[in-house]
Amino acid sequence: DSGVTQTPKHLITATGQRVTLRCSPRSGDLSVYWYQQSLDQGLQFLIQYYNGEERAKGNILERFSAQQFPDLHSELNLSSLELGDSALYFCASSVSGRGTGELFFGEGSRLTVL
Amino acid sequence: EDQVTQSPEALRLQEGESSSLNCSYTVSGLRGLFWYRQDPGKGPEFLFTLYSAGEEKEKERLKATLTKKESFLHITAPKPEDSATYLCAVILIQGAQKLVFGQGTRLTINP
Repeated sequence: DSGVTQTPKHLITATGQRVTLRCSPRSGDLSVYWYQQSLDQGLQFLIQYYNGEERAKGNILERFSAQQFPDLHSELNLSSLELGDSALYFCASSVSGRGTGELFFGEGSRLTVL
Repeated sequence: EDQVTQSPEALRLQEGESSSLNCSYTVSGLRGLFWYRQDPGKGPEFLFTLYSAGEEKEKERLKATLTKKESFLHITAPKPEDSATYLCAVILIQGAQKLVFGQGTRLTINP
């Protein structure tokens, strides 16, 4: 158990819909990262927050947005969903926000868009 | 373009049969290289950090090494519980401090 909690574990929805994925980082970790994992793309970095502020941005679509709240939990919002958005979405956390490679991953949220 | 390439894509070994997984990178400034293990349906689990050429790290049956162009994950006398996908990732000195992952090597150890 990494200490990172993600909900929901599974989500099935239709194209055009909007979903919210939630992440609670390990106790004491200030940084939260979101990754998307699909069969053909592997693990792709989406976005990083550190203590409530956006720190780094990856290949995140404009239809996707995220935020980190004062209690340090984070939410990833996916809107106008397309079939290609079906993937595993991982949240990870770390103590530092400065380019550490030692991340603690949650078990992921599996999104299926029909 | 910065790239991380892992080979082979998949590897099947008999229990006790040692081998190595490769991670090669073409990046313009390496801050660190990291190895993760991922079991099916789970999130990646951190294994090792390597910062400079010549560095080695060991954990049980696994040993990671780093050169200027690539890293190897050596698996000695593996057991079935070592079956997993092994991912390598890099962090670059310049630009966004994001972890860039390779596609992984899917390792299967047969009893």
